[in-house]
Amino acid sequence: GAVVSQHPSWVICKSGTSVKIECRSLDFQATTMFWYRQFPKQSLMLMATSNEGSKATYEQGVEKDKFLINHASLTLSTLTVTSAHPEDSSFYICSSREGHYNSPLHFGNGTRLTVT
Amino acid sequence: GQQLNQSPQSMFIQEGEDVSMNCTSSSIFNTWLWYKQDPGEGPVLLIALYKAGELTSNGRLTAQFGITRKDSFLDISASIPSDVGIYFCAGRGTGGGADGLTFGKGTHLIIQP
Repeated sequence: GAVVSQHPSWVICKSGTSVKIECRSLDFQATTMFWYRQFPKQSLMLMATSNEGSKATYEQGVEKDKFLINHASLTLSTLTVTSAHPEDSSFYICSSREGHYNSPLHFGNGTRLTVT
Repeated sequence: GQQLNQSPQSMFIQEGEDVSMNCTSSSIFNTWLWYKQDPGEGPVLLIALYKAGELTSNGRLTAQFGITRKDSFLDISASIPSDVGIYFCAGRGTGGGADGLTFGKGTHLIIQP
């Protein structure tokens, strides 16, 4: 089945630094990937849609300059949290689907970001 | 937009008990998905449902796509410790986010020793 890999699993950084999170589709090509943020004991909140070869589409209220998304190949999307602050600490998850629009989404294993 | 009501919010059960959870909506969905999320991990797809009335099993898990297309149920039989986690339903309809899905808020399953 479709596998989505996310790296790193966890990262700790200092305020003001930037952190890059990678999302890879391991056995399929993904023209579209999605990035989510999840707070403790809550559901997933869609942040943005990553489009291969074009600009990402951000959900309302998500700062595109804060959360930079690059989807340079059919198997890799990256999310960079720029000038991180403690309030950016969260669990970030990516997803993608193999095949047509009605195919299920498969999620990465998530990245726990802690900003000190 | 579309909203999903997932219940119960949490369940405290004994090992070996059966579990039942559901998601309901005022809107019609064309697809229902059930995911499980372990602590510190991403959600893992358990069952996908594509037709009204569809009943699908995956081991001890059984899910159904409601006839009205506005609800779905997930049952777990004879629960074991590794069933602990958060279970999310997700529906795909004419609304939803850019990913095409509307997520429930999750059911936290806790198994008491």
